Amino acid sequence: AQTVTQSQPEMSVQEAETVTLSCTYDTSESDYYLFWYKQPPSRQMILVIRQEAYKQQNATENRFSVNFQKAAKSFSLKISDSQLGDAAMYFCAYRSKNFGNEKLTFGTGTRLTIIP
Amino acid sequence: NAGVTQTPKFQVLKTGQSMTLQCAQDMNHEYMSWYRQDPGMGLRLIHYSVGAGITDQGEVPNGYNVSRSTTEDFPLRLLSAAPSQTSVYFCASSYSGQGRYEQYFGPGTRLTVT
Repeated sequence: AQTVTQSQPEMSVQEAETVTLSCTYDTSESDYYLFWYKQPPSRQMILVIRQEAYKQQNATENRFSVNFQKAAKSFSLKISDSQLGDAAMYFCAYRSKNFGNEKLTFGTGTRLTIIP
Repeated sequence: NAGVTQTPKFQVLKTGQSMTLQCAQDMNHEYMSWYRQDPGMGLRLIHYSVGAGITDQGEVPNGYNVSRSTTEDFPLRLLSAAPSQTSVYFCASSYSGQGRYEQYFGPGTRLTVT
């Protein structure tokens, strides 16, 4: 079974600065997906960024980028130029590519606070 | 497209009562699932379905039932509510198989059992 670990329950960053959220995972599969989801106070789960394990290149979406280290099973999220709207819970998640095993395995989340 | 819809948004039950949380999607997704979210524990899978007529248990299935009679709907039934089922419940859906990875989440239902 896969596990996902987020070791930082809370993080804070000054507005306009950069912050990195950590995530490690454990799996015996060689190909899979990794995601970061954002959950603002509205409770809605919003997909921030995704990474396919077989792709060497780190994914980037505007101010959000990942550092994917497959051998180390590490998948950190970097938020550049932090904005007040980035304040939320962030969840790292794993998904198998096997048919019938599309479930997401989540970490316990990191609460990000933006300091004006 | 409405995406994934859930009703109700909030619910208060007394211990022992039963109820059904509704979930519907209009994206023709094969895969649907229910998660519960508790403080400090992330989201955990309750039940899931890979298509109409096919359901299976997730990580925390006890006390919950599901059925999938249509592609669109995937209701979650609480048979006899217990305070331990106080949580926020999310329904999610996605296409099945490789290359179609994104799961779409509903807005959630906050359930309190007293």
